[in-house]
This record gives sequence, C-alpha cells and structure tokens, in this order.
Amino acid sequence: DQQVKQNSPSLSVQEGRISILNCDYTNSMFDYFLWYKKYPAEGPTFLISISSIKDKNEDGRFTVFLNKSAKHLSLHIVPSQPGDSAVYFCAASARSGGGADGLTFGKGTHLIIQP
Amino acid sequence: DTAVSQTPKYLVTQMGNDKSIKCEQNLGHDTMYWYKQDSKKFLKIMFSYNNKELIINETVPNRFSPKSPDKAHLNLHINSLELGDSAVYFCASSQVNAPGPQHFGDGTRLSIL
Repeated sequence: DQQVKQNSPSLSVQEGRISILNCDYTNSMFDYFLWYKKYPAEGPTFLISISSIKDKNEDGRFTVFLNKSAKHLSLHIVPSQPGDSAVYFCAASARSGGGADGLTFGKGTHLIIQP
Repeated sequence: DTAVSQTPKYLVTQMGNDKSIKCEQNLGHDTMYWYKQDSKKFLKIMFSYNNKELIINETVPNRFSPKSPDKAHLNLHINSLELGDSAVYFCASSQVNAPGPQHFGDGTRLSIL
C-alpha cells in the first residue's frame, strides 16, 4: 500500500519555465514532508522540506506547497535550469522530522529540462 | 569531506555468500538508517538505530543484521544471500529531536549472481 504517491514517472520542461512536481499522501499522521533530488549513482540529496503547520516554504528557486485537506504537496522550480534534470523524490514522516522513524518515499519523478 | 560514506559502492557476489556493507557519518548525528531501493525504484526503510540502539526493524528477514559499534557507524551484514537481495542499499543519518532532513550516502549496488 503506497502511502506516498508520485503519479508522474517523468516530466519534461523547457529551460527557463516553471517545473511543477506533484505528490499525494494517504496517511493523516504524516506531519513533515521533504523533497529530495537524486542523480544517477548518487544518493538522494535534500532539497526542501515543510512542516504541516505551514502551507508554503520557499528557498531560492524552490517552493513547496502543502494542501493538508487534499493531502497533496507540490514542488515548484522556477526558473528551471539544465542542472535540475534529475529524479525527484517526495518523502514524509510522522514525527515532525525529529524522530528516529524512517521516511516514507514516493516512487520518484524524472524531471528532464530541455534547452 | 563526505558526510555519509558507504563502502563498497558496488558488490557482486554469488547466492549463498555472506557480505557486509559499511557506513560512516561525520555529521555528529545520533541516528542512522538503512534503506533498500529495489528494482521498482521504491526506497524503503529497513532499520534505524539511535545511539547504537535498534529503533525500527521493518519486517526484514533475519538474514539481515545491522551492527552499530558507535554512533558514527552502522554496518549491514547479510547472510546466505538470495537473488531477491539484489538492490541498491542506502545509509542515512539524522539527529533525533532536532527537526531536519536525513542525509544519505551514495548507495551500495548489490548484485547477486
């Protein structure tokens, strides 16, 4: 049973445009959400996170939006750059990120930035 | 200066063998994790250790045994390897009671012949 779902296996966006990656979750106990970026043969690299007490968090070109009632979050990248081409994982945890619980990951979305 | 390092990066071995993967973190974190990424690309938690104590064991066969000699190290021993153990194994670390992300190593690709 997938508790975190990323329904788009891949997404192609033109350089300079906005990339929007989506993630849905089913477990209402989740209260901390993260986005990781992964290049081939490397480990996931933390990008940005959001606590359930917020609905938006911004860091440079990256913004994460959380809609708790819809159990949906999205990652916006603007403007998209060639180096953003990677697999993006959505992850969630149930202890505000401070416990020893593992993260529950989605299956990832492969973002391709076209020149 | 790598924050979370795993060795080896690649491991090719035969069915039935016993192997170990090492993980070290220099972030001063008190919690370490092992994740498995299978052929379907799902990253799933296997174990978590806090201050050398096992916290999570997610229905992993007992052929897998994590060992934590100190807070900075969490090794994974696998006995009697099976074909289904082929996967990429990721180590991660974080600080309990301090909200923040888990930091991952670059993974160990295990291939069983």
